[in-house]
Amino acid sequence: QSVLTQPPSVSAAPGQKVTISCSGSSSNIGSTYVSWYQQLPGTAPKLLIYENNKRPSGIPDRFSGSKSGTSATLGITGLQTGDEADYYCGTWDNSLSAYVFGTGTKVTAL
Amino acid sequence: EVHVVESGGGLVQAGGSLRLSCAASGFTFSSDWMSWVRQAPGKGLEWVANIKQDGSEKYYVDSVKGRFTISRDNAKNSLYLQMNSLRAEDTAVYYCAKTGQSGSLDYWGQGTLVTVSS
Repeated sequence: QSVLTQPPSVSAAPGQKVTISCSGSSSNIGSTYVSWYQQLPGTAPKLLIYENNKRPSGIPDRFSGSKSGTSATLGITGLQTGDEADYYCGTWDNSLSAYVFGTGTKVTAL
Repeated sequence: EVHVVESGGGLVQAGGSLRLSCAASGFTFSSDWMSWVRQAPGKGLEWVANIKQDGSEKYYVDSVKGRFTISRDNAKNSLYLQMNSLRAEDTAVYYCAKTGQSGSLDYWGQGTLVTVSS
């Protein structure tokens, strides 16, 4: 059972915006950096956001991240069919001394 | 360009052992933490273990403690996961991931499938 909670799915029409929440606690999100990962169907996960809101080279600025207290949010603007994937938040948990992932969110472009 | 490539997966009976390897290139392997992450069929991501640059610190998810051992050989730019006393619930694709300075898993391999038959 994951310690980070995400909605199972979100959807929007192409071109619209979606947001994905990631809820944790003071021992993880509340005290460490949050990362976000994108997993396209049949492929390995890829880093999308690190240190709460930074994008690795090559990630378009349509993807954004934010953190407030013990929650984090991933935003995708100008949704494209190519963005259809599973998205996971992740962070270190100081109480568990373990890296933890969110439950995962499936994004669908209607 | 950073590359990590896993190998060693396969079919094994419950109670058996398997050793996964990860070959790294394109970065200074000895300067980075490394991690193993797994994904059971149709399920989400589960972090398994990580190891410090010099191997002096190792952390594991509770479900594998005492059964799995992570190790590295910096001279060979390689990461390993020795898996003993395997269970059906260990069936998954196992990914090797480079760990960035802030703890993010910034480069992933393509994964290797481990199937444990009961």
